[in-house]
Amino acid sequence: GESVGLHLPTLSVQEGDNSIINCAYSNSASDYFIWYKQESGKGPQFIIDIRSNMDKRQGQRVTVLLNKTVKHLSLQIAATQPGDSAVYFCAERRAGNQFYFGTGTSLTVIP
Amino acid sequence: NAGVTQTPKFQVLKTGQSMTLQCAQDMNHNSMYWYRQDPGMGLRLIYYSASEGTTDKGEVPNGYNVSRLNKREFSLRLESAAPSQTSVYFCASSETSQGNSPLHFGNGTRLTVT
Repeated sequence: GESVGLHLPTLSVQEGDNSIINCAYSNSASDYFIWYKQESGKGPQFIIDIRSNMDKRQGQRVTVLLNKTVKHLSLQIAATQPGDSAVYFCAERRAGNQFYFGTGTSLTVIP
Repeated sequence: NAGVTQTPKFQVLKTGQSMTLQCAQDMNHNSMYWYRQDPGMGLRLIYYSASEGTTDKGEVPNGYNVSRLNKREFSLRLESAAPSQTSVYFCASSETSQGNSPLHFGNGTRLTVT
């Protein structure tokens, strides 16, 4: 399943399928990007980050892709599990220490 | 290793009351941040401190003050609470002062102003 962030803030996928969560960022000077997972009642939890000199970075079951040309970031989750159900946020560093967050995408995994 | 600890977890205030939200981190991080999270608006930066002894305004600083008490602690003060400040407040820290390391968040303070 795939979301387009602000235009489709919810995403439902079958357990075991791959998920793609998208994020459009606004500032072409942003040079550092982070994906967070937030479960109900908790603070955002770091998943993976990527710097602007990279196009792709992989972690455990997650991959982040960065397309600077169109200012687009995506998070791919392989073999989605029920524990992956949460809200996912992207964050961009625009200047200095100021990080700006998207409004988030809610991922629901259907068993 | 507790990470980022916020107190209190919940608070109800009347309009005009004041309070201080406390935040402490035990990771020896240099930078600390205060965000608020409102439904449908993501997280918005209120204030941040790139290093001990410095503080700077973020996107939505009006109605708030901060104090970087020492390297571990960064407090947020509401001098005269307003209903518009009803929100969930998150404190975060990051290792570097240059903004090139991820933020680590606490579990938030849920504030209601009536």
